[in-house]
Amino acid sequence: AQSVAQPEDQVNVAEGNPLTVKCTYSVSGNPYLFWYVQYPNRGLQFLLKYITGDNLVKGSYGFEAEFNKSQTSFHLKKPSALVSDSALYFCAVRDYSGNTPLVFGKGTRLSVIA
Amino acid sequence: EAQVTQNPRYLITVTGKKLTVTCSQNMNHEYMSWYRQDPGLGLRQIYYSMNVEVTDKGDVPEGYKVSRKEKRNFPLILESPSPNQTSLYFCASGRLVDTQYFGPGTRLTVL
Repeated sequence: AQSVAQPEDQVNVAEGNPLTVKCTYSVSGNPYLFWYVQYPNRGLQFLLKYITGDNLVKGSYGFEAEFNKSQTSFHLKKPSALVSDSALYFCAVRDYSGNTPLVFGKGTRLSVIA
Repeated sequence: EAQVTQNPRYLITVTGKKLTVTCSQNMNHEYMSWYRQDPGLGLRQIYYSMNVEVTDKGDVPEGYKVSRKEKRNFPLILESPSPNQTSLYFCASGRLVDTQYFGPGTRLTVL
């Protein structure tokens, strides 16, 4: 069965510093990987995805993520954090090989401090 | 405008009183799903549907029912709600292997 782990419940970073939100996954086949963000009192919004191709994926709001097959990771990164990036971030995975559902991690709360 | 709509957005009810939360999408997506979000537990899938008349249980299906009679609609039914179903519920739709679009959420309180 596929699964996603976000090992950090909370990440704190100072404004202007680089940020990383970690995600590791487990699938039996090849993965489709996604990052979503949830701002307070809002639904989830799509940030970026990896389907195939370049391991470095660029998404909305200056975020990017690197697919690392050997480490089964898909960490979310941004070179310079903004206070407005403070939100709840979810990693999700789906197995390419079959009709399987999308599975979400438990989320990581990012706080960017001015 | 492409969107996923949910109704109601807020609902307070009592134990045992049947309720339905509607979900509708206007993007002709095959895949639809329901999630509940609880503090410390993240997003857990209740049910999903790969297409019309095809539904499957997610991680936490107990106490819920769904139906998919039309492609655009995927209602969530609580036949006999209990307080442990107090939660924030999200409906989502998308292509099977692509981005999911989420509704605005339904905050349900069961007294």
